[in-house]
Amino acid sequence: AQTVTQSQPEMSVQEAETVTLSCTYDTSESDYYLFWYKQPPSRQMILVIRQEAYKQQNATENRFSVNFQKAAKSFSLKISDSQLGDAAMYFCALAQGGSEKLVFGKGMKLTVNP
Amino acid sequence: GAVVSQHPSWVICKSGTSVKIECRSLDFQATTMFWYRQFPKQSLMLMATSNEGSKATYEQGVEKDKFLINHASLTLSTLTVTSAHPEDSSFYICSARARLARETQYFGPGTRLLVL
Repeated sequence: AQTVTQSQPEMSVQEAETVTLSCTYDTSESDYYLFWYKQPPSRQMILVIRQEAYKQQNATENRFSVNFQKAAKSFSLKISDSQLGDAAMYFCALAQGGSEKLVFGKGMKLTVNP
Repeated sequence: GAVVSQHPSWVICKSGTSVKIECRSLDFQATTMFWYRQFPKQSLMLMATSNEGSKATYEQGVEKDKFLINHASLTLSTLTVTSAHPEDSSFYICSARARLARETQYFGPGTRLLVL
């Protein structure tokens, strides 16, 4: 069975600083995909970043980057130059290759202080 | 690209009535659509997976006669909550996956359902 664990329920960061959100996962498959989704107060789920397990290079999207440690089954999200609009719930998720389902972590609430 | 809409965004209904929620992929063809339920301060719970032209696959514990799903075209899936009761009040979210999308799901804005 696949599992996704986000052990920190809440974090806060000062505006313009950097914060790292942690996520660990477990799967027996070699073909899988990892995602970070953001859910702001509007509750719209927004895809932040995606990582294919077969790619060694860490994914980057503007101020968002991941640290993908495959052997350790760790997938952390780094947010640089934090902005007030980054305040949201962040969900880490896993999908096995060929499987249609996403397995979500419990989420982590990020607060950005001005 | 990859925009998913949901309608309505808010619905209040009386106990015993049925409510239909629509999920549309606006700029891509969705071979698979998903329906989730989210309780306050919790993660998303998958209810069912629907593929265009075939019956939906429901997760364990989800009543298929209660939550009717129809995926009539490559851009539209509907969730009907039949004979709604107050315990069905929740936030319902759909998502869609395109062909060759590498397992990526794009989410609609959600529907808040309140059953009185």
